Amino acid sequence: GESVGLHLPTLSVQEGDNSIINCAYSNSASDYFIWYKQESGKGPQFIIDIRSNMDKRQGQRVTVLLNKTVKHLSLQIAATQPGDSAVYFCAENSQDNFNKFYFGSGTKLNVKP
Amino acid sequence: DVKVTQSSRYLVKRTGEKVFLECVQDMDHENMFWYRQDPGLGLRLIYFSYDVKMKEKGDIPEGYSVSREKKERFSLILESASTNQTSMYLCASSFRTAGNTIYFGEGSWLTVV
Repeated sequence: GESVGLHLPTLSVQEGDNSIINCAYSNSASDYFIWYKQESGKGPQFIIDIRSNMDKRQGQRVTVLLNKTVKHLSLQIAATQPGDSAVYFCAENSQDNFNKFYFGSGTKLNVKP
Repeated sequence: DVKVTQSSRYLVKRTGEKVFLECVQDMDHENMFWYRQDPGLGLRLIYFSYDVKMKEKGDIPEGYSVSREKKERFSLILESASTNQTSMYLCASSFRTAGNTIYFGEGSWLTVV
């Protein structure tokens, strides 16, 4: 079946550095991807999304890169701040089953002051 | 802004009690979902609904039921709560077309004693 996973369960970075969080997916039919941020005790918050007809999308301090060849997704956070500390996870969706979302287990980002 | 509201943030219930978790969304979304989130297991789909009075089982429906009498409201019911249902429950909603973001509520922490 489909799976969405993350390479690193925990990532520690220094405040001001850039962070890169990775995600692998296995369903070649997936064509829509989302990154979420989840702070402790709260629900997941939408950060940014990307469709499969794009390789890159930028938001405010965040960039998502999609490599369909190797089925890999990454989230880049520029100038990481203490408020970025949270669990980040990716989600995938496909047109042939668009009511179904598959979620990664998450990477915990620790930002050291 | 999209708003998915879960009425109860923290609940403590006794084994065997009937539990209702309520969720309301204000974006006229067709789809609504109930997930549970446990450490190390990520998000698991319990049930989802794509229209009023319509429902489909997710990956872990056992011990749960749902009700959707109005488009904006989706209820999760634990007919007889058990300790293994202690978890964080997340409600979510989305439009019923491909490539649409799924938005989450803040979560309901349920402890069954």
